[in-house]
Amino acid sequence: EAEVAQSPRYKITEKSQAVAFWCDPISGHATLYWYRQILGQGPELLVQFQDESVVDDSQLPKDRFSAERLKGVDSTLKIQPAELGDSAMYLCASSFLETGAYEQFFGPGTRLTVL
Amino acid sequence: GDSVTQMEGPVTLSEEAFLTINCTYTATGYPSLFWYVQYPGEGLQLLLKATKADDKGSNKGFEATYRKETTSFHLEKGSVQVSDSAVYFCALSDRGGGTSYGKLTFGQGTILTVHP
Repeated sequence: EAEVAQSPRYKITEKSQAVAFWCDPISGHATLYWYRQILGQGPELLVQFQDESVVDDSQLPKDRFSAERLKGVDSTLKIQPAELGDSAMYLCASSFLETGAYEQFFGPGTRLTVL
Repeated sequence: GDSVTQMEGPVTLSEEAFLTINCTYTATGYPSLFWYVQYPGEGLQLLLKATKADDKGSNKGFEATYRKETTSFHLEKGSVQVSDSAVYFCALSDRGGGTSYGKLTFGQGTILTVHP
């Protein structure tokens, strides 16, 4: 069964360091999402791609976060510099199309701890 | 903006008990509604969905009905098992297209613990 892959699964870093997360969506899925889930809360969208284009990054802290999906397949989310408040689970999801009727498939997530 | 409100948790039940987790939403237009489940250390899995009013989503004994008049999508199961222990998230998605893109808006999650 096709799955969304993410790496690393766990990342511990010190504040002010740079971190990067990688996501490989299900083959053929044009839409890719990055969500942030703070402990005890529901996920919140950071950025959404349609193929290689960003279609929604309104909640992405652009002073420190960046995201790319250069060939419209896999994607990288970067934080530089990391802050204590960035400790969270970072989830990647993909779907066939962006319409609400299509299921979003989630990866296992990357748990980030900033010390 | 869109929002989802779930009942406060955690919920603790004995095996074979009846489960209800309440979910209400606020949205413009006619969203699709979802329940996702998250097991410890894992990502989210779709449990069930409904895409229009009066639709009933069902899976693995769980059910939820899209109630437009009460803007609700309550999750129910007649007899829970220990293996159902997890965090349950209610979510909505706009239809996408035009100026909207189908992102999911989640509730805060409800922790369910089922004891033998």
